[in-house]
Amino acid sequence: AQKVTQAQTEISVVEKEDVTLDCVYETRDTTYYLFWYKQPPSGELVFLIRRNSFDEQNEISGRYSWNFQKSTSSFNFTITASQVVDSAVYFCALSEARSGGSYIPTFGRGTSLIVHP
Amino acid sequence: SAVISQKPSRDICQRGTSLTIQCQVDSQVTMMFWYRQQPGQSLTLIATANQGSEATYESGFVIDKFPISRPNLTFSTLTVSNMSPEDSSIYLCSVEERSGAQGSIQYFGAGTRLSVL
Repeated sequence: AQKVTQAQTEISVVEKEDVTLDCVYETRDTTYYLFWYKQPPSGELVFLIRRNSFDEQNEISGRYSWNFQKSTSSFNFTITASQVVDSAVYFCALSEARSGGSYIPTFGRGTSLIVHP
Repeated sequence: SAVISQKPSRDICQRGTSLTIQCQVDSQVTMMFWYRQQPGQSLTLIATANQGSEATYESGFVIDKFPISRPNLTFSTLTVSNMSPEDSSIYLCSVEERSGAQGSIQYFGAGTRLSVL
């Protein structure tokens, strides 16, 4: 069975600090997908990134970067020079193929990031 | 990505009553999903709704408590029946969009914040 662990329940930083959100996953499949979503106080889930299991290249998008390491089953998310608007709950998720061809993600418990001005 | 509208955005209900949540998508999609997010918790899949067939419920969720309709490829409803305070949660609708040769991405609506007194 698939499992996603986000050990950090809450992280508090001061604006402009760098912060890394950890995500460790478990799966027996060789083909799987990893995701990060952001949930601001408004409640909607905003898709940030998807990675497939065959692509270990790290990715950078502006102040966001992701480090995928299969050797440690981790998919960590770093925010550089954090801003108050980054305050949100961040969810890591893992999906594998299910019968019928759908890929339904299993979510971690989320990490609440609080960025203080 | 698909634009998903959910309503109501929030409601306060009395125990024993029922609430129907609507989810509208701006494009035709095969699969729609309903999730529950209890306070401070992660997302839990309630059911998968395909047009023209009965919804498929996850373990721990039953049709009598959470009846779902899927009358066409752009719309679905979730009813929370005979509510109790334990049903107080955020309920989220999502759709799956295929991405690449395999796999998919789930996009979410803004959610419905339900409080049951």
